[in-house]
Amino acid sequence: QKEVEQDPGPLSVPEGAIVSLNCTYSNSAFQYFMWYRQYSRKGPELLMYTYSSGNKEDGRFTAQVDKSSKYISLFIRDSQPSDSATYLCSIHNTDKLIFGTGTRLQVFP
Amino acid sequence: DTEVTQTPKHLVMGMTNKKSLKCEQHMGHRAMYWYKQKAKKPPELMFVYSYEKLSINESVPSRFSPECPNSSLLNLHLHALQPEDSALYLCASSFTTGAGGYTFGSGTRLTVV
Repeated sequence: QKEVEQDPGPLSVPEGAIVSLNCTYSNSAFQYFMWYRQYSRKGPELLMYTYSSGNKEDGRFTAQVDKSSKYISLFIRDSQPSDSATYLCSIHNTDKLIFGTGTRLQVFP
Repeated sequence: DTEVTQTPKHLVMGMTNKKSLKCEQHMGHRAMYWYKQKAKKPPELMFVYSYEKLSINESVPSRFSPECPNSSLLNLHLHALQPEDSALYLCASSFTTGAGGYTFGSGTRLTVV
């Protein structure tokens, strides 16, 4: 079993839609969870950083962690064409980040 | 300064060449990382430096040789690469190797011919 599994997508949504991106993980000891956004031909950019269970909101983005089911989500409200990118969930394991496979999101006008 | 700067942005090299990738940060981060990313795949960890010492080597072939001259700089020396080594090479940094978000550079797009 992989340490992090991510819904592969791709997702294509109209502008203004609510987007839900999801990952599951295998080790209940993991405590630090992140979402990165990566535009084509660029490095990943940290979007959200959460510790343990609960929700964290930043503008149109909400990160959610459910440790009981080992499930992490990123919600994007009022999606914009500029949100079109690949979204990577990641988990901090010991001294390194482990990434999910990424979900490619396309928001069309 | 909240950036990780990587040079060059693009590199084409032959299989017999020797080249180096460079990475620099001035955020006071004491952990630095090299990742390799193939098209439509997530980044894969290659090396971790913590306080200028190599702490993780993910069984990377010896044709890749990392170097950390000081707390702000990270190099990746390349020698006798193969075409399958063509990829985006990403440098990242963080305050420590403990929990914390990483700051990534924009990467060096390497093509081996």
